[in-house]
Amino acid sequence: KAGVTQTPRYLIKTRGQQVTLSCSPISGHRSVSWYQQTPGQGLQFLFEYFSETQRNKGNFPGRFSGRQFSNSRSEMNVSTLELGDSALYLCASSLASTKTQYFGPGTRLLVL
Amino acid sequence: GESVGLHLPTLSVQEGDNSIINCAYSNSASDYFIWYKQESGKGPQFIIDIRSNMDKRQGQRVTVLLNKTVKHLSLQIAATQPGDSAVYFCAEDSGGSNYKLTFGKGTLLTVNP
Repeated sequence: KAGVTQTPRYLIKTRGQQVTLSCSPISGHRSVSWYQQTPGQGLQFLFEYFSETQRNKGNFPGRFSGRQFSNSRSEMNVSTLELGDSALYLCASSLASTKTQYFGPGTRLLVL
Repeated sequence: GESVGLHLPTLSVQEGDNSIINCAYSNSASDYFIWYKQESGKGPQFIIDIRSNMDKRQGQRVTVLLNKTVKHLSLQIAATQPGDSAVYFCAEDSGGSNYKLTFGKGTLLTVNP
C-alpha cells in the first residue's frame, strides 16, 4: 500500500505570496492532519480534517487554512507568507477507527 | 530577533548496546501515546504506540513503557544499530474524538559503530 504522499517536496516563495500544499493520504484513511515543523518550535499541530470537515484546529493565524476533498485528499494554503513560515509542513493520515497517524515526507517551504 | 532552536536532548550509544529514550508528557487526560523516528530530510516514521490502559508494549527490538503516575514514557531499543541514528519523538493524544498529537521536542540518538 502506498504511503502518504505530499507535493511539492520543495518550494521557494517570497514574502507576501501565497502557497498551496497537497497531501494524498494512505488509501482508506479518511483523517488527514497537518503539522508545521521548525527548529525553533518543533512539531506543531495545524489542523485535522475528516470527511471534508475540519474537526480540530491548532493555534495558528487565519492565514493558514485547509480543506479536504471527497476522495480524502487534502490541501493547505498559507496566504500572505512571512519569513517565519519557512518550515517543513507535514501531512499525516489515519484510519477512522484508530488514532495512529502515518506521516508523509513533508514539503519544505522557504520564504525569502 | 535571533531565533533560538530547540535544544534537543542527545543520547550517544555504542552499536550493540541498548538505548533508553525518555519522555515526560503533560496531559493526564492523554489516553494514547506514539513514538516516532525521524531521519534527516524525512517525515516522522511510526515505531510503536501504547494506550493508557497498558503499561508496556513490545515490538521488534523496541519496548515502550508507560508510567501514568508520573506521566512518563520511555522507548527502549535493543541491540542498537547505526541505522537507528535519528531524532525520536514521543507524542500524546489528549483523548476523546481528537486526532491531534502533541509532540515532545525529541531526542537525538547517535549510534557509534
